[in-house]
Amino acid sequence: GENVEQHPSTLSVQEGDSAVIKCTYSDSASNYFPWYKQELGKRPQLIIDIRSNVGEKKDQRIAVTLNKTAKHFSLHITETQPEDSAVYFCAATPSTDKLIFGTGTRLQVFP
Amino acid sequence: DAGITQSPRHKVTETGTPVTLRCHQTENHRYMYWYRQDPGHGLRLIHYSYGVKDTDKGEVSDGYSVSRSKTEDFLLTLESATSSQTSVYFCAIGDRANYGYTFGSGTRLTVV
Repeated sequence: GENVEQHPSTLSVQEGDSAVIKCTYSDSASNYFPWYKQELGKRPQLIIDIRSNVGEKKDQRIAVTLNKTAKHFSLHITETQPEDSAVYFCAATPSTDKLIFGTGTRLQVFP
Repeated sequence: DAGITQSPRHKVTETGTPVTLRCHQTENHRYMYWYRQDPGHGLRLIHYSYGVKDTDKGEVSDGYSVSRSKTEDFLLTLESATSSQTSVYFCAIGDRANYGYTFGSGTRLTVV
């Protein structure tokens, strides 16, 4: 089955700097890669996703890149703000049935 | 609130007692999921359902059972709760996994 590894587990950046979170997956059939943001005490919420036929996708300050050959994908946040502080989860799926999540990255943005 | 509700929000129970958590949706989505969230482990899939009476196991299904008798309700049962099942449990819904999920607000379960 699919296995997703996520790094780093914690990330601290200064406000205005960029943050990058990386994930690798094991199943070459995986074709959908979402990212979820979970603020403290809240539910995870989808913030961006990418499909296997696309190499990069942007939405304002966030972007996701996918390298199918290497089986890894990354989340990039530019011009970080304190409200970006949260836990971020990557996920992958080779099917329509279920998502397999990474272990999460706690991002702290210091003013 | 996002068409999905979980109950209860918090529960404390004793070791060895049965516990049932409920997930209710108003979105008519085909798929419903139960995940548990633990520090260092992220979100791990317990069980999921792809239709009424159609369920399958996830990564960490031992000690848990599920039922889905109606499209809108998905129940997670711990037959005999253990301290290792202390966790935050999230329900999620979606039409297909590769279109993303909507998560519920979670249930914090403490087994003492």
